[in-house]
Amino acid sequence: SQTIHQWPATLVQPVGSPLSLECTVEGTSNPNLYWYRQAAGRGLQLLFYSVGIGQISSEVPQNLSASRPQDRQFILSSKKLLLSDSGFYLCAWSWSTDTQYFGPGTRLTVL
Amino acid sequence: AQSVTQLGSHVSVSEGALVLLRCNYSSSVPPYLFWYVQYPNQGLQLLLKYTTGATLVKGINGFEAEFKKSETSFHLTKPSAHMSDAAEYFCAVSLSSSNTGKLIFGQGTTLQVKP
Repeated sequence: SQTIHQWPATLVQPVGSPLSLECTVEGTSNPNLYWYRQAAGRGLQLLFYSVGIGQISSEVPQNLSASRPQDRQFILSSKKLLLSDSGFYLCAWSWSTDTQYFGPGTRLTVL
Repeated sequence: AQSVTQLGSHVSVSEGALVLLRCNYSSSVPPYLFWYVQYPNQGLQLLLKYTTGATLVKGINGFEAEFKKSETSFHLTKPSAHMSDAAEYFCAVSLSSSNTGKLIFGQGTTLQVKP
């Protein structure tokens, strides 16, 4: 069966510090991968998606970036965090048009 | 362009009462439709989905939804609410013709269940 992991589970970072969130999927190959953010009181915002290694599509302009160095690894990064980057970050995977399966999420607080 | 509208950001029902969460979508091609549930500080869990075939879809935890093309709706129902159903619910749509699997989510509906 497939499993999706995210770490860390929680993170408190100062403004201006770098960020690296990691997502890995087990039990499948060549999945589509996605990064979402949930800000307080708001819905899900798709940040990035990837249909293959090294293929990243950005949905919204921001100071975040994503990379996919391996087939089942998806990384969300920032060089300098802003207060507005606080939120709940969710990684998900899917096979093409089928269901997206979500990880447990990372709670990021930028102070 | 696709879009999803969930009517009512907060819905409150009594335990044992009918749950009805409304979702309307806009899509120029046949859509795939999904309902997800999110408990506090957790990821989203799939409740049910419609791709093709039978328009009444049954999911986990006693939930079901009916795809009505003429009304562009995919409302979620459960005959009798349990306290454990209190959570946030998201409706989502994806293009059946796209290989990216991108989902467009509604803004979510928080379900409160009163004893």
